[in-house]
Amino acid sequence: DGGITQSPKYLFRKEGQNVTLSCEQNLNHDAMYWYRQDPGQGLRLIYYSQIVNDFQKGDIAEGYSVSREKKESFPLTVTSAQKNPTAFYLCASKLSGPGSYNEQFFGPGTRLTVL
Amino acid sequence: AQKVTQAQTEISVVEKEDVTLDCVYETRDTTYYLFWYKQPPSGELVFLIRRNSFDEQNEISGRYSWNFQKSTSSFNFTITASQVVDSAVYFCALSEGRAGGTSYGKLTFGQGTILTVHP
Repeated sequence: DGGITQSPKYLFRKEGQNVTLSCEQNLNHDAMYWYRQDPGQGLRLIYYSQIVNDFQKGDIAEGYSVSREKKESFPLTVTSAQKNPTAFYLCASKLSGPGSYNEQFFGPGTRLTVL
Repeated sequence: AQKVTQAQTEISVVEKEDVTLDCVYETRDTTYYLFWYKQPPSGELVFLIRRNSFDEQNEISGRYSWNFQKSTSSFNFTITASQVVDSAVYFCALSEGRAGGTSYGKLTFGQGTILTVHP
């Protein structure tokens, strides 16, 4: 079945460690996004990528890094520079180009906890 | 800058009641898209509806209906005869857009409304 997968579902990190969250899609979507969700808040955009080997910072990119080496994959690294990384992380993708309608489809999320 | 406001933080209803979730938006774009997403306890956001700025027709899908009023910059969502399975967090979102659909599609989300439907 087509969809977006994120792994792991739960992730625990010690302070000072970098961790990488996986996001894979088999929807043949061009664009991919990473959002962060904190309790009682909406989603905030971390990074997005429109095509392979290209990505842009979103609203809260500090302390995060991404890569887009394959169309299907958009991993997010939470670095030790991120001061408050405990949150729920959601990956999304959508079609791009003429005829797309801009709805993004989301993965199941990764809950990151810093110990 | 774009902004989405969902003034209702939490709503609690009893099953079979109708409930309306409010959404007000701000944008300078003349072409834009509005969305509603549902986030059940599992956490995954589920797409419910998209509406573009030049189509003000209201829409009904089963027990769900949406009222888009450009004059008041509102895109409200009504659930008729609510059920316990409707309990979730509901997000309204706004995206810039251009005719033909070519845009980077950044979504601006409201803070969400927690809906609890009691049996």
